[in-house]
Amino acid sequence: AQSVSQHNHHVILSEAASLELGCNYSYGGTVNLFWYVQYPGQHLQLLLKYFSGDPLVKGIKGFEAEFIKSKFSFNLRKPSVQWSDTAEYFCAVNPNFGNEKLTFGTGTRLTIIP
Amino acid sequence: DAGVTQSPTHLIKTRGQQVTLRCSPKSGHDTVSWYQQALGQGPQFIFQYYEEEERQRGNFPDRFSGHQFPNYSSELNVNALLLGDSALYLCASSLLPTSYEQYFGPGTRLTVT
Repeated sequence: AQSVSQHNHHVILSEAASLELGCNYSYGGTVNLFWYVQYPGQHLQLLLKYFSGDPLVKGIKGFEAEFIKSKFSFNLRKPSVQWSDTAEYFCAVNPNFGNEKLTFGTGTRLTIIP
Repeated sequence: DAGVTQSPTHLIKTRGQQVTLRCSPKSGHDTVSWYQQALGQGPQFIFQYYEEEERQRGNFPDRFSGHQFPNYSSELNVNALLLGDSALYLCASSLLPTSYEQYFGPGTRLTVT
């Protein structure tokens, strides 16, 4: 069975700091990878996704993620965070052969200090 | 273009009772998945419905059941509620087989007392 690990449970940064959130997955086959964000009081929104091709993917609001197949990782990055990035971030994976279930990590709570 | 909608927003039930949650998928989508998100955790897959049938199921007991209607909307039913069923229940819709993306609704917050 696939699994997703997010080792950073709570990250606190000052505005303008750089961000990197780790995500590692366990699955033997080809996968689709996602980062979702949940702002306070709002529903889950897709930040970015990787299906195939260029392993560096860009999403909304200046976020990007890099898929490193050899490390089974899909880390999320942003060069300069803003207070409005305060949210819960979830990494998710599903097998790349159909619209199968998403397996989520436990999430990383990001707090940005103004 | 309406997104995924869920009702009710909040619900309080007593142990042993039964509950029904509802979901309308995003316009044009034909597949509905349900997830349970306990406090401080990531969403856990419950099951997925496509063409009015349960297509796949996660590790949840038979107390959790569902239904999909011809208009693609869906219901999640939970029988014999336990305190541990308290969670945010999320509905996600997608379009099989062409899309791997799932769009989430705002969720229904269920509290079991």
